[in-house]
Amino acid sequence: NAGVMQNPRHLVRRRGQEARLRCSPMKGHSHVYWYRQLPEEGLKFMVYLQKENIIDESGMPKERFSAEFPKEGPSILRIQQVVRGDSAAYFCASSLGSGSRFYEQYFGPGTRLTVT
Amino acid sequence: AQSVSQHNHHVILSEAASLELGCNYSYGGTVNLFWYVQYPGQHLQLLLKYFSGDPLVKGIKGFEAEFIKSKFSFNLRKPSVQWSDTAEYFCAVTGGGNKLTFGTGTQLKVEL
Repeated sequence: NAGVMQNPRHLVRRRGQEARLRCSPMKGHSHVYWYRQLPEEGLKFMVYLQKENIIDESGMPKERFSAEFPKEGPSILRIQQVVRGDSAAYFCASSLGSGSRFYEQYFGPGTRLTVT
Repeated sequence: AQSVSQHNHHVILSEAASLELGCNYSYGGTVNLFWYVQYPGQHLQLLLKYFSGDPLVKGIKGFEAEFIKSKFSFNLRKPSVQWSDTAEYFCAVTGGGNKLTFGTGTQLKVEL
């Protein structure tokens, strides 16, 4: 029963380095979402992707952050030149592409990014 | 922009007590409503959902929620909690798209 997989689970980066977070959706799911949870805050939407397409990136910071979901392989959330304020838990979710369960999102365990 | 408010940040109950967690949202159009639960050390799991139809929805583990459109509310209830219900509970909404807007969560602790 392979759910949403995220790796790494914990990632430590120094200021100025790049962070790459990976997400493999559930089998059969073609939509991927990224959320961020800052300390003492709820989860905030970042970006919504289908294979090879960004559907909604209204929650992505304008600089340093990018996301992709290639035809083959996992979705990648990339943070360039990390700063201490990027320290957070990053969660990926996936859903089916259509049908009555389209709106049901299933979450992975998250990646905890610490910037030192 | 849509938003979700969860009024209780921390709730402590004894086993067998009844539970009601409040959730209010602000959005003028059609919404889909969700409750997610995060048990200690585990990832978010979908507890129940409302898309349309009967406003009283039943989820896993004896939980239910009632959608009251006039009050913009989607409160979570359980008649008798168990120690294993200790977890963090998140209300969430999608409206006009597929991105979830979450409340800040309610930490529930059930004492024996």
